[in-house]
Amino acid sequence: RKEVEQDPGPFNVPEGATVAFNCTYSNSASQSFFWYRQDCRKEPKLLMSVYSSGNEDGRFTAQLNRASQYISLLIRDSKLSDSATYLCVVNTMNDMRFGAGTRLTVKP
Amino acid sequence: GAGVSQSPSNKVTEKGKDVELRCDPISGHTALYWYRQRLGQGLEFLIYFQGNSAPDKSGLPSDRFSAERTGESVSTLTIQRTQQEDSAVYLCASSPGLAADTQYFGPGTRLTVL
Repeated sequence: RKEVEQDPGPFNVPEGATVAFNCTYSNSASQSFFWYRQDCRKEPKLLMSVYSSGNEDGRFTAQLNRASQYISLLIRDSKLSDSATYLCVVNTMNDMRFGAGTRLTVKP
Repeated sequence: GAGVSQSPSNKVTEKGKDVELRCDPISGHTALYWYRQRLGQGLEFLIYFQGNSAPDKSGLPSDRFSAERTGESVSTLTIQRTQQEDSAVYLCASSPGLAADTQYFGPGTRLTVL
């Protein structure tokens, strides 16, 4: 089993749609969690950290469920510019593990 | 301020040659990471430095790969006797301290082994 697993997608959604991604991790000792965004042929950039209490940044909401070992990202009112690959990142004892990413395409 | 920079941006080499990839982290960032990303795939963690020390080298794919960091600044990733399967984008990231901090990525070095 991979340490960090994501549905690769692609998710193709119309503008304005709400879309959710899940990510599961295997190591219960994992300490911190992030969502990164990667545009085609570009480096990943931090989208948001994921806190135990859940956190929201504008149209983006991240949730962590330690008991079930998954994190989620919800994007509301999706924009064309949200089209990218979303990477789930899990830190375990200073070892960062990236998921393979979920590809999102938002269409007009 | 300057972000993470990497050089070269592109490198084409012949199978069997050695290559050296360079990463200049953000000034003051004590943690530095190397990742590999093959075409259409996710990031593969290679190694991280805290200061000039790399506590865990087990992520390096083979003994042909080595990395060092000096002056808590520049890092080089060296691949000896390159193979075609080494072709990938090699990404470097830095963060202010522990791995829990946000990582800032460089633009990557695209390595093509012919």
